[in-house]
Amino acid sequence: SQQGEEDPQALSIQEGENATMNCSYKTSINNLQWYRQNSGRGLVHLILIRSNEREKHSGRLRVTLDTSKKSSSLLITASRAADTASYFCATESGGSYIPTFGRGTSLIVHP
Amino acid sequence: GAGVSQSPSNKVTEKGKDVELRCDPISGHTALYWYRQSLGQGLEFLIYFQGNSAPDKSGLPSDRFSAERTGGSVSTLTIQRTQQEDSAVYLCASSLLGRETYEQYFGPGTRLTVT
Repeated sequence: SQQGEEDPQALSIQEGENATMNCSYKTSINNLQWYRQNSGRGLVHLILIRSNEREKHSGRLRVTLDTSKKSSSLLITASRAADTASYFCATESGGSYIPTFGRGTSLIVHP
Repeated sequence: GAGVSQSPSNKVTEKGKDVELRCDPISGHTALYWYRQSLGQGLEFLIYFQGNSAPDKSGLPSDRFSAERTGGSVSTLTIQRTQQEDSAVYLCASSLLGRETYEQYFGPGTRLTVT
């Protein structure tokens, strides 16, 4: 069963615009990760945010975590056509060591 | 350094045949994961190895699925008597394992098509 659920399912924007994707989850987590997937192949890790952190940055990426609302957001600023991909959140709870992935948000950035 | 590799990259098989999928994790990564992804869907967890043991096999969809890992390194996922619903991309990932969770490094996947 999915722990994290991304929203929206699909997002289409123009190059240069910002893209915001959200992830909601149901149970308490140790950490939350965001991954990118191109062309239905392997996933690439973007950012890991721990439950005691509220915000992290990496280049044009900004991730926030609100544990009271059980939600996270991924913001991509100044988007590029190369950002076109599916983005997944993955949560880890307890001592499982098994991240649980959502269904993903499909982002299309038009040049 | 070398990343996670998987072979074959594509496999087409007839219904009822057995298939073996291989995963070579990053050297030194103690944790290894298998996932399945159907077209346009999220990742479905199959099995997790810590070293050579599999503490969690709960995701294996049926007894036709099995996996092993030897020498704390290479893992094989075997699907017996394949069915059309087994068609998917099978992804392997590895990570360090310690007191904290580390990021997973994914292989490129094996696209399995059962005809």
